[in-house]
Amino acid sequence: EVQLLESGGGLVQPGGSLRLSCAASGFTFSSYTMNWVRQPPGKGLEWVSGITGSGDGTYYADSVKGRFTISRDNSKNTLYLQMNSLRADDTAVYSCAKRGTGGDPEFDYWGQGTLVSVSS
Amino acid sequence: SYELTQALSVSVALGQTASITCGGNIIGSKNVHWYQQKPGQAPVVIIYRDRNRPSGIPERFSGSNSGNTATLTISSAQAGDEADYYCQVWDSSTAVFGGGTKLTVL
Repeated sequence: EVQLLESGGGLVQPGGSLRLSCAASGFTFSSYTMNWVRQPPGKGLEWVSGITGSGDGTYYADSVKGRFTISRDNSKNTLYLQMNSLRADDTAVYSCAKRGTGGDPEFDYWGQGTLVSVSS
Repeated sequence: SYELTQALSVSVALGQTASITCGGNIIGSKNVHWYQQKPGQAPVVIIYRDRNRPSGIPERFSGSNSGNTATLTISSAQAGDEADYYCQVWDSSTAVFGGGTKLTVL
């Protein structure tokens, strides 16, 4: 059974930093592109970032480019998101999502998410 | 950047058919995925690549995609189908989501 478990969220002041983690199990982690998707309270889904299975390709939404860094440790089956220079509009539930296979695949598994609140 | 447009809300009578649309420039040339999200839960893919259902998703859910509009159709709507529905495509290695449609079953 595929499981994705996020951690690391919390309350942080504007300009601060947080590192999110996503522990994966139930599949060959290194074979799949992994992503972070966020959802502000009461709002829709927003893709944040993605990383290829080997880690050699990373992709970011314009809204976080230069502030967030995605990475992975395939030996630990763990995905990370380093978030710096946080702003109030970064407040959201952050979920990791596994990408399926083939061309332009769906997100076939999602974690429950971890809440990041940016406020003074 | 690519944009997807969804109606904020759609209502359907119990047992009737609901259509939720997702508009985008020549979206028919892209693979569209649909997700269902119930309150407090993670999204679940219900249609992938325009019209395919993952195992466990009822046949009542179907999808189509042509021109500038992709459509999610829910037949014989049930109370348990009340949820937010999101369409999603890939555009130059970035994922794009529609704004989401809240389905209300009356």
